[in-house]
Amino acid sequence: QKEVEQNSGPLSVPEGAIASLNCTYSDRGSQSFFWYRQYSGKSPELIMFIYSNGDKEDGRFTAQLNKASQYVSLLIRDSQPSDSATYLCAVGRSGAAGNKLTFGGGTRVLVKP
Amino acid sequence: GAGVSQSPRYKVAKRGQDVALRCDPISGHVSLFWYQQALGQGPEFLTYFQNEAQLDKSGLPSDRFFAERPEGSVSTLKIQRTQQEDSAVYLCASSSRDLRGEQFFGPGTRLTVL
Repeated sequence: QKEVEQNSGPLSVPEGAIASLNCTYSDRGSQSFFWYRQYSGKSPELIMFIYSNGDKEDGRFTAQLNKASQYVSLLIRDSQPSDSATYLCAVGRSGAAGNKLTFGGGTRVLVKP
Repeated sequence: GAGVSQSPRYKVAKRGQDVALRCDPISGHVSLFWYQQALGQGPEFLTYFQNEAQLDKSGLPSDRFFAERPEGSVSTLKIQRTQQEDSAVYLCASSSRDLRGEQFFGPGTRLTVL
């Protein structure tokens, strides 16, 4: 079993719809959770981070964390073709600067006009 | 100021050659990480520096891999006697003491070993 699991996709969503991405992790001691967006041929770009149970909203993005169930999700509202990318879930054991991240394999999202 | 920079962006090496990959983190960021990303997979942790101290090198796949950050800023990842399985994108990320673990990635170096 991988430490961080994501559905590889592709997740196909029509333009304007909500894209819902899920991630599960195995280490119950994990404290910090990140979503990165990676366009083809580019490096990961941080789009959301969450440390506490519940929801965190930033623009069209909402991250949801449930530590008891060991899952974290990302919602993308009003999806745009420019949101087409691979979304990487990353988990850290601490919430400090020296926090090595464990990544899932990524979910590829395709937003169709 | 500027983001994380890495050089070279692309490197082709013949099997058995040594390579050196450079990372210049965001100014003032004390934490520096190296990750390896194979095609179609997520990044995998290699090693971590806090200033000049290498505090975690548990992800380095073999003793052919060596990293240093002698003055606590620029870091170099060196791979000796490269093998085909070393072909990947090598990503550098940095983080500030003021942040709670958020890491910012450089553009990466794509290494191809023939």
